[in-house]
Amino acid sequence: DAGITQSPRYKITETGRQVTLMCHQTWSHSYMFWYRQDLGHGLRLIYYSAAADITDKGEVPDGYVVSRSKTENFPLTLESATRSQTSVYFCASSGATDLNTGELFFGEGSRLTVL
Amino acid sequence: GQNIDQPTEMTATEGAIVQINCTYQTSGFNGLFWYQQHAGEAPTFLSYNVLDGLEEKGRFSSFLSRSKGYSYLLLKELQMKDSASYLCAGADSNYQLIWGAGTKLIIKP
Repeated sequence: DAGITQSPRYKITETGRQVTLMCHQTWSHSYMFWYRQDLGHGLRLIYYSAAADITDKGEVPDGYVVSRSKTENFPLTLESATRSQTSVYFCASSGATDLNTGELFFGEGSRLTVL
Repeated sequence: GQNIDQPTEMTATEGAIVQINCTYQTSGFNGLFWYQQHAGEAPTFLSYNVLDGLEEKGRFSSFLSRSKGYSYLLLKELQMKDSASYLCAGADSNYQLIWGAGTKLIIKP
């Protein structure tokens, strides 16, 4: 199906483990984003990408790694998970030609719990 | 610093009108977005304003005053399905989005 999908939808892991959240979009959008959403906070940008092989840090990048070898995929890796990384993670994409000038399309979210 | 302020929670009655306010402070300004987010779901786009004035889209309207750093989302003829959080986000001079924490709207019959 066309759209933007995330996997896994739910994940429980332990402190210190590596976790990868996957994001796939079928629109060939140039821009892709990773956000985390925590109670009492607005969405916070972790990393974004303007195109394949181009990534940049957002507001809260520490402890996360991204890659974008193909336009359609934008995985997010927590190299050594910490309890403070318990959150809901949203991947988003945009077909705009300039950063944040267009509508964002969000995936369904990945709910991560770090014990 | 950069900041987006919006009320944490609002309650309204089915069939009524509700206005959700948002004030913003950003370094430069490149537009104001509103998104709707139902509980446990992803945000979905509602509106984008970059010029002063009112933009109407069916039951939903969004207003922007750049001189006052102020926006509001107006929802008319409220329906139970409008129960959701409404997220305000401003784009700064670098086109980075600054998000508010969201306003949870509760609709009562």
